Amino acid sequence: GENVEQHPSTLSVQEGDSAVIKCTYSDSASNYFPWYKQELGKRPQLIIDIRSNVGEKKDQRIAVTLNKTAKHFSLHITETQPEDSAVYFCAASDTGNQFYFGTGTSLTVIP
Amino acid sequence: AAGVIQSPRHLIKEKRETATLKCYPIPRHDTVYWYQQGPGQDPQFLISFYEKMQSDKGSIPDRFSAQQFSDYHSELNMSSLELGDSALYFCASSLASAGGTDTQYFGPGTRLTVL
Repeated sequence: GENVEQHPSTLSVQEGDSAVIKCTYSDSASNYFPWYKQELGKRPQLIIDIRSNVGEKKDQRIAVTLNKTAKHFSLHITETQPEDSAVYFCAASDTGNQFYFGTGTSLTVIP
Repeated sequence: AAGVIQSPRHLIKEKRETATLKCYPIPRHDTVYWYQQGPGQDPQFLISFYEKMQSDKGSIPDRFSAQQFSDYHSELNMSSLELGDSALYFCASSLASAGGTDTQYFGPGTRLTVL
């Protein structure tokens, strides 16, 4: 089955700086890669996703890049704000029947 | 917009008891996923259903069973509860399409505590 690895597990940045979280996956059949933000005790919220037919997608301060050859994808958050502090999970799916999650990155944005 | 509904939101049970968690997907969504999330851990996939049929199975214990009903709501039945079953249980739903994998939307979760 698919194996998704996520790094780093914790990340602290100064407000206004950029944050980058990286994930790798093992199954070349995976074709859908969502990113979730989870605040303490709340549900994972989809913040951005990318499909295998594109290499990059951007939504305001958030961008995701995908390298299918190397089997890795990354989340980029620019101009970070304290409210960006949360746990971020990457995930991968091929059929949509099952999603494989990374182990999460706890992001702290220091005011 | 309507979201995924889960009930109950909180549940406290004793060891060896049974529990039933319910999930109501977003209207017109035909796929439901169940996840278990322990403290500080990533969501672990348990099981999924598409059009009322089981579509995939993950790390779901044999003590657990689930089904999706004709109105697309799903129930996760947990028997012989153990202390280690204490976790947050999320349901997510999506709308399958011929074009590929679709976005899944998570419910608010059910926090199960086994004493």
